[in-house]
Formats: sequence, structure tokens, C-alpha cells
Amino acid sequence: EAGVTQFPSHSVIEKGQTVTLRCDPISGHDNLYWYRRVMGKEIKFLLHFVKESKQDESGMPNNRFLAERTGGTYSTLKVQPAELEDSGVYFCASSLTGGLTDTQYFGPGTRLTVL
Amino acid sequence: QKEVEQNSGPLSVPEGAIASLNCTYSDRVSQSFFWYRQYSGKSPELIMSIYSNGDKEDGRFTAQLNKASQYVSLLIRDSQPSDSATYLCAASNSGGSNYKLTFGKGTLLTVNP
Repeated sequence: EAGVTQFPSHSVIEKGQTVTLRCDPISGHDNLYWYRRVMGKEIKFLLHFVKESKQDESGMPNNRFLAERTGGTYSTLKVQPAELEDSGVYFCASSLTGGLTDTQYFGPGTRLTVL
Repeated sequence: QKEVEQNSGPLSVPEGAIASLNCTYSDRVSQSFFWYRQYSGKSPELIMSIYSNGDKEDGRFTAQLNKASQYVSLLIRDSQPSDSATYLCAASNSGGSNYKLTFGKGTLLTVNP
């Protein structure tokens, strides 16, 4: 069974540019999460999809970030325009039920560098 | 601010020793606790989960939870060089029916041959 995949693995862009990150969850997982780790900090929650609906987007930093999950399969996270402080590793995770004991499986992350 | 704190490390132990990783959490409504292992440049991988007070053992790994003290730990017995990684402690609760994870910063463990 394929795990969570993310694309690209690395992205280097200049301040003001746009970047789109993609996440493909494990097949059949209705729950999809985005997290971010900036240098020296802990991994922090950004948002949670259940199928195509946003269940919780309380962790999104500001309106420069837009997440979508059309059709309830893969998800994209767009940053527009990117700022220096957006640099970090963006992780996607998926889970089957979203319940208390459910396991979240993480992808390898996308390392974003904004210059 | 709901936080998860881990001993800062780095932690270095000789091969065959017991590695002890500790974690405290501030949100009393946290219900589930997870230990993830992350090798450099790789995805976090779940190694243990614990939901009830007490100990839970799985092979060389033992997770301990004390909800009264808001404390979670992970013991690795017979540590191997392949256990060298960053260990992330995470907590979740059912607030808003969203089991998002709150992570600590992680503890870097090095097992020396």
C-alpha cells in the first residue's frame, strides 16, 4: 500500500512568488491534515479536511494560504504571495476515521525556502 | 496556549542501554498520546500510542502515561544504533471533533555503537 506522498520534495522561490504544494493521501483515507515546521520550532497544525470539507482551519497563518481538496482525494496548499517567514517543512498526514485512536500517517514533507 | 514540552536533548546513550524520553503536556483534556520517530529528512513514523494511564509495551518500546501529572514517557530498551533519530511526542483531544496533533519540539537521540 502506498503511503502519503507529497510533491515537490523541495521548492525554492523568491519572496512574492506563488507556490503550490500537493499531497496525495493514502487511498481511502477521508481525513487529511496539513502541518508545518519552521526552523527551530515544533510541528504545528495548519488545517484538517474531512473528504472535501474543511473541518478545522484554525492553524492557517493568514489569508495568503489557501488549501483545497477538490473531490476529496488529493489536496493542494497554495501560498500567495510567499513571505520569508513561510520557509519551513510542510507535512501532510492522512487518517482513516479521524477518531481518538486513529493513526495519522505522515508524508515526507515539502521543504519550502523563500528567499 | 496548549503545549507539549520535551526534554531538550540531545540524548546520547551507548548501544544496549535504556533510552528514556520524557514529555509533559499542558492541556488537561488531551486524551491520546503518540510517539513518532523521525529520521533526518524522512516522514514522522508512529511507533507508540497510549490512551490510558499506565504502561504499554511493544517489543523494545514502553510508553508510560500519567494523566494526573500530565506526563508521558518512552523507554527504549536494548538501544540500537538504528534507533538514532528524533523522537516527537504528540497529544490530541477531541475538541471540536478534530483530533489534530500538538507536537513537542522533539528529542534527538544518538545511540553510540
